[in-house]
Amino acid sequence: DIQMTQTTSSLSASLGDRVTISCRASQDINTYLSWYQQKPDGTVKLLIYHTSRLHSGVPSRFSGSGSGTDYSLTISNLEQEDIATYFCQQGNTLPWTFGGGTKLEIK
Amino acid sequence: QVQLKESGPGLVAPSQSLSITCTVSGFSLTSYDINWIRQPPGKGLEWLGVIWTGGGTNYNSAFMSRLSISKDNSKSQVFLKMNSLQTDDTAIYYCVRDSLLAYWGQGTLVTVSA
Repeated sequence: DIQMTQTTSSLSASLGDRVTISCRASQDINTYLSWYQQKPDGTVKLLIYHTSRLHSGVPSRFSGSGSGTDYSLTISNLEQEDIATYFCQQGNTLPWTFGGGTKLEIK
Repeated sequence: QVQLKESGPGLVAPSQSLSITCTVSGFSLTSYDINWIRQPPGKGLEWLGVIWTGGGTNYNSAFMSRLSISKDNSKSQVFLKMNSLQTDDTAIYYCVRDSLLAYWGQGTLVTVSA
């Protein structure tokens, strides 16, 4: 199975900040990398798929980049509603696997 | 409007089986795959398996011996059945649409306890 690693388990930032969350795959996943947002009530939403494609309805302050084994999610101009846990996921090879998550908090 | 909703038993005794139903609306199961994903309390997400539009399935090898996914297209329902539950199967179970995992249900908490 492909292992997904998010080395930062929690991150504290101020409203208006630019935040970057990183994710690393154990092998090349050919940009089949998605990002999900999980709110404290458990609600999960797809933000970005195929490394950089924004899912319908997702604000443009979210962006993604990367290639090979290294990927990142950037949130520009952090807003209160962005407080959540963010997971990366590889969609290159079954079984789909997820990173451990990065919990974003307001400083 | 795409919606998925899981319904489960809430509490399951150790060694018993689990059955969860995912009822979907706003799309057809003949057009979209459905995945099952779970999350133990305070932990990460774990993919369990998928049922494809044609009815074929793929399972996470860690669960293959005790997991079954099926569906009834006419009722817009997908079913998860897992056998021989143990306490570490306590988790929120989500049904999720398509290979992009684009739409998630609200999840249903299953607690395995005597």
